[in-house]
Amino acid sequence: GAVVSQHPSWVICKSGTSVKIECRSLDFQATTMFWYRQFPKQSLMLMATSNEGSKATYEQGVEKDKFLINHASLTLSTLTVTSAHPEDSSFYICSAVAGTSGRAPYEQYFGPGTRLTVT
Amino acid sequence: GENVEQHPSTLSVQEGDSAVIKCTYSDSASNYFPWYKQELGKRPQLIIDIRSNVGEKKDQRIAVTLNKTAKHFSLHITETQPEDSAVYFCAASFGTGRRALTFGSGTRLQVQP
Repeated sequence: GAVVSQHPSWVICKSGTSVKIECRSLDFQATTMFWYRQFPKQSLMLMATSNEGSKATYEQGVEKDKFLINHASLTLSTLTVTSAHPEDSSFYICSAVAGTSGRAPYEQYFGPGTRLTVT
Repeated sequence: GENVEQHPSTLSVQEGDSAVIKCTYSDSASNYFPWYKQELGKRPQLIIDIRSNVGEKKDQRIAVTLNKTAKHFSLHITETQPEDSAVYFCAASFGTGRRALTFGSGTRLQVQP
């Protein structure tokens, strides 16, 4: 149980194009989802917190107009990288909190990640 | 905000030896401290976690200790095996779970057969 999926698992796009990444909680409702970015050999850095039905909260230094987050349902959050550039190439990982579904309220369930390469 | 420091950045041990990774956190309000193992290109995998009302927790070869006063927590792996080789991250958060995790910088553990 507590499965989170991400799609696509990897994507290559050209500079200037947009890419959408989906994060789904498959067997629980996620009131809160988080988006992290991980550059090679570095730690996970929080980009934004996504709450169902409300606007995402972005971390300092993360451009909200560039990284569009939508959490339209309790099982789906999307991250759209707009006008992607090579420096946006990274491993993007989402996580979901189960909220009140009976699961451990503290534990975050991570998606498998999406490797984005911008050429 | 929270700041988590992790040491060492790399650790090499012989198979069967113990490995210890240490983290310190800055926000005394933090009350949840998970440890993750991450293999190359994969998602972080929770291996053990501890809440602030507990000083120590053990699960087979893995244990975590927490010193709230000193604001540090440690991961202990005993009888290490080559398959323990990976990058390990500590993290901290506070609240009811709606808060994001702040991760340490990671420790690359290499277990030599």
